[in-house]
Amino acid sequence: DGGITQSPKYLFRKEGQNVTLSCEQNLNHDAMYWYRQDPGQGLRLIYYSQIVNDFQKGDIAEGYSVSREKKESFPLTVTSAQKNPTAFYLCASSTVESYEQYFGPGTRLTVT
Amino acid sequence: QKEVEQNSGPLSVPEGAIASLNCTYSDRGSQSFFWYRQYSGKSPELIMFIYSNGDKEDGRFTAQLNKASQYVSLLIRDSQPSDSATYLCAVNTGGFKTIFGAGTRLFVKA
Repeated sequence: DGGITQSPKYLFRKEGQNVTLSCEQNLNHDAMYWYRQDPGQGLRLIYYSQIVNDFQKGDIAEGYSVSREKKESFPLTVTSAQKNPTAFYLCASSTVESYEQYFGPGTRLTVT
Repeated sequence: QKEVEQNSGPLSVPEGAIASLNCTYSDRGSQSFFWYRQYSGKSPELIMFIYSNGDKEDGRFTAQLNKASQYVSLLIRDSQPSDSATYLCAVNTGGFKTIFGAGTRLFVKA
């Protein structure tokens, strides 16, 4: 089955710790995205990548970092510099011909 | 700033009725329009996309696009309790940037 996986589903961390969220896809999509969702708000773009070894900042990239070493994988690191990291994090992918994005199940991060 | 606006709801309709969800967008150059369904605690699921003015039907769902009015809507016919969810409107404004609305909560009463 083709799809996008994210792990873990729930993640708890202490303030000041960096944490890495996993995202893997086997849809053979070139483009991958990271969004953050907060209650009552639309999805906000953190980073996106059009191709391996290339990625671009989205609207709220401060305090986050990514890598794209393989087509299938686009991990997101939430650093201690992110002021309000508690949120629902969503990874998505699409082809570069259309922008229909397909989402993984999400990771719910809680930082205390 | 490019925006996508949706009524937050909740929109409540009886089972079997037509649910009408609306969305307006600010970027007149937008080309691609999407509707996602998101159940509580879950990730968004793509249910419709539309690129041209007019209507596009898929089963019980119809997407309507009016670029002149910068308006896109989703109609759900024969609404079922399982349709109760938050519906996100998303607009691609060019390249890899897609702007998502905050969503409309739909409640279908049995």
